[in-house]
Amino acid sequence: AQTVTQSQPEMSVQEAETVTLSCTYDTSESDYYLFWYKQPPSRQMILVIRQEAYKQQNATENRFSVNFQKAAKSFSLKISDSQLGDAAMYFCAYRRGGTSYGKLTFGQGTILTVHP
Amino acid sequence: DVKVTQSSRYLVKRTGEKVFLECVQDMDHENMFWYRQDPGLGLRLIYFSYDVKMKEKGDIPEGYSVSREKKERFSLILESASTNQTSMYLCASSSPGQGALDGYTFGSGTRLTVV
Repeated sequence: AQTVTQSQPEMSVQEAETVTLSCTYDTSESDYYLFWYKQPPSRQMILVIRQEAYKQQNATENRFSVNFQKAAKSFSLKISDSQLGDAAMYFCAYRRGGTSYGKLTFGQGTILTVHP
Repeated sequence: DVKVTQSSRYLVKRTGEKVFLECVQDMDHENMFWYRQDPGLGLRLIYFSYDVKMKEKGDIPEGYSVSREKKERFSLILESASTNQTSMYLCASSSPGQGALDGYTFGSGTRLTVV
């Protein structure tokens, strides 16, 4: 079974600084997707960024980027120029490719605090 | 613009009650999911459905059942609520195939307290 581990229960960052959230996963599959979701206090989960395993290039979405290390099974999220609105719970998630019905396996979550 | 709607934001039920959590999506998604979210444990899959009347157990199905009579609606049923089922429940939907890149669309959660 696939597992996803976020070893940082809480992180904090100063506004305008950069922070990196860690995620490791375990799988024997070669075809899969990785995601970072954000859950603000409103509880509405928002997709931040995604990465296809077959792509070597790291995904980037504006201030959010990932460091995808396939051999090490590591998928960290870097938030640059942190803003107060980035404060939230962040979840790393794994999805197997193919006909897996889209089940996502989530990590434990990391609470990010942004200090003004 | 709401796409996945969970019927209750907060719910308080008594031990032993039968509890229904409702989820409706308007995106014509084939796949629907129920997760529970607990501190330090993240989200854990309870049940999912990939078609009307089809369901599959997730990682923690004990004490729960589901119903999907129509494509847009996926209900989670707690047959006899217990205090260890106090949690946040999240519903989500997705499309198969290319929809994998889009991840899930989530509801805003139901915080259930069983007393």
